[in-house]
Amino acid sequence: EPEVTQTPSHQVTQMGQEVILRCVPISNHLYFYWYRQILGQKVEFLVSFYNNEISEKSEIFDDQFSVERPDGSNFTLKIRSTKLEDSAMYFCASSPGQGNADTQYFGPGTRLTVL
Amino acid sequence: EDQVTQSPEALRLQEGESSSLNCSYTVSGLRGLFWYRQDPGKGPEFLFTLYSAGEEKEKERLKATLTKKESFLHITAPKPEDSATYLCAVRSGNNRKLIWGLGTSLAVNP
Repeated sequence: EPEVTQTPSHQVTQMGQEVILRCVPISNHLYFYWYRQILGQKVEFLVSFYNNEISEKSEIFDDQFSVERPDGSNFTLKIRSTKLEDSAMYFCASSPGQGNADTQYFGPGTRLTVL
Repeated sequence: EDQVTQSPEALRLQEGESSSLNCSYTVSGLRGLFWYRQDPGKGPEFLFTLYSAGEEKEKERLKATLTKKESFLHITAPKPEDSATYLCAVRSGNNRKLIWGLGTSLAVNP
């Protein structure tokens, strides 16, 4: 069964450093997403991506963040100049782009720890 | 503002003891309500999508129902392997973002 994959599973970085989180969405899906979950809090939407551009973003997704689809399979989230409060689980998701609700399927996540 | 509230926050059941989890929502123009299961340190695993009031979906020991204000996830004769956090999320209007509840942490004792 096709699934979303993410690398690395755990990333530790120093405050102020840049990190890139990588995702391979399900191959025939058209929409891609990033969410984050701070420990003990709700899952929060960051950004959605369609047809090589951002289709929607939240207030959290400021100039510190960027997304890219560098090739036909990968989807990346870059966080510039990381802050302590960026420590969280980051989930990538993809959806087919069809149907009323367009169900999103999630990867296993990357745990980001900022020291 | 779109909102999702889940209750209870935590639930402990004996194996075989059926129960229900609640997800109350306030959205403008529901496009879909989603139930996911999340194991510790893992990503949300899709369970069900519900589109309209009155709809029901079933999978093994789980059954999800939807009204205009809330959804229930009924767990019949649960087993220890059903222990997880169950998350509810909604999509509204023309947005594709999901708005999430905090989840119900379910523990099933053998």
